[in-house]
Amino acid sequence: DAKTTQPNSMESNEEEPVHLPCNHSTISGTDYIHWYRQLPSQGPEYVIHGLTSNVNNRMASLAIAEDRKSSTLILHRATLRDAAVYYCILKKTSYDKVIFGPGTSLSVIP
Amino acid sequence: GAVVSQHPSWVICKSGTSVKIECRSLDFQATTMFWYRQFPKQSLMLMATSNEGSKATYEQGVEKDKFLINHASLTLSTLTVTSAHPEDSSFYICSASIQGGYGYTFGSGTRLTVV
Repeated sequence: DAKTTQPNSMESNEEEPVHLPCNHSTISGTDYIHWYRQLPSQGPEYVIHGLTSNVNNRMASLAIAEDRKSSTLILHRATLRDAAVYYCILKKTSYDKVIFGPGTSLSVIP
Repeated sequence: GAVVSQHPSWVICKSGTSVKIECRSLDFQATTMFWYRQFPKQSLMLMATSNEGSKATYEQGVEKDKFLINHASLTLSTLTVTSAHPEDSSFYICSASIQGGYGYTFGSGTRLTVV
């Protein structure tokens, strides 16, 4: 199974953009790149996903490298509510099981 | 839309008793659900895949006789922790595939404490 690598932790100042990187050098052509985040004491929530093109939604943007071996989740203006663990995951289909790595723990400084 | 409701949100039970956790898809049908366990400061660990109308598929190292999973309908999956012990104390989370998309929605989790 293709694996992802993320920094263990990152810090951001409130109101500033945050770029969360993810490396997935063994990604296959059919793998979708997904991002989830988990706030303290809650279940994870879906953030965004993409295949080849960059994606935007109300929560974030996803920038995918041309060779697809890395991607970056962009939070345009970090708020205190964005402090969470962010997980980058590769999935092939709707019914693939999601295997979570350690993720990146994002701290937002007021 | 695509909400998964998980109950209870927390439970305390005595060692040796059994506890049932419910996971319901509120506004969609979930043919496949997943159960995770999470210890403090750790990532989620997949325990099993629950398919409606068939036996669950357990991940390696997960005791199927201890963690009973039932997925009898398209909107309900249950996890029963049998003969619970303090080491079973953990945060249990279910998830289901979002119809028409490629993402998943997760329950809010159940904090189990065995005393």
